[in-house]
Amino acid sequence: AQSVTQPDIHITVSEGASLELRCNYSYGATPYLFWYVQSPGQGLQLLLKYFSGDTLVQGIKGFEAEFKRSQSSFNLRKPSVHWSDAAEYFCAVGATAGFQKLVFGTGTRLLVSP
Amino acid sequence: EPEVTQTPSHQVTQMGQEVILRCVPISNHLYFYWYRQILGQKVEFLVSFYNNEISEKSEIFDDQFSVERPDGSNFTLKIRSTKLEDSAMYFCASRNRGQTEAFFGQGTRLTVV
Repeated sequence: AQSVTQPDIHITVSEGASLELRCNYSYGATPYLFWYVQSPGQGLQLLLKYFSGDTLVQGIKGFEAEFKRSQSSFNLRKPSVHWSDAAEYFCAVGATAGFQKLVFGTGTRLLVSP
Repeated sequence: EPEVTQTPSHQVTQMGQEVILRCVPISNHLYFYWYRQILGQKVEFLVSFYNNEISEKSEIFDDQFSVERPDGSNFTLKIRSTKLEDSAMYFCASRNRGQTEAFFGQGTRLTVV
């Protein structure tokens, strides 16, 4: 069965500093991998996705993520965080067969300090 | 830009009452989903729907839950007799054939009192 682990519940980063949010997944084959962001009171917005090809994927808002098969990881990075990036970030794994339900991690809340 | 629309944004209901959460998926999408997020917890899959029938459901989606696509645009989630533990944010999502990602609505916050 699919599962996702986001080991960091909260992370605080200074504005302008770099960011890395960790995500580890469990899936029997190469999965579809996603990062979603949820701002307060908002829905889930897709930041980026990986399903094949180049293991470094670029997303919106200056985010990128790297798929590492050997580590079963899909960590999210941003070189310079802005105050508007404060939100909850969810990593998700999608089945590559069937109807592609998503399994989400527990989320990481990002706080940005001035 | 097309988006998934959910109504209402917030609903308060008494325990034991029926509630219907409404969603308008993106118009040419074929796969529809409901997820829920209990406060402080992760987003959980409830059900997927394709070709006018349930394609997959989780153990959460028991007989108290049902989904329907009553017309060409709406996709609803009904909870027959709400319980306190049904209080959560419910997200609708849709996906088109050949797409890998699902697009989510803003969510409906259901509060059962």
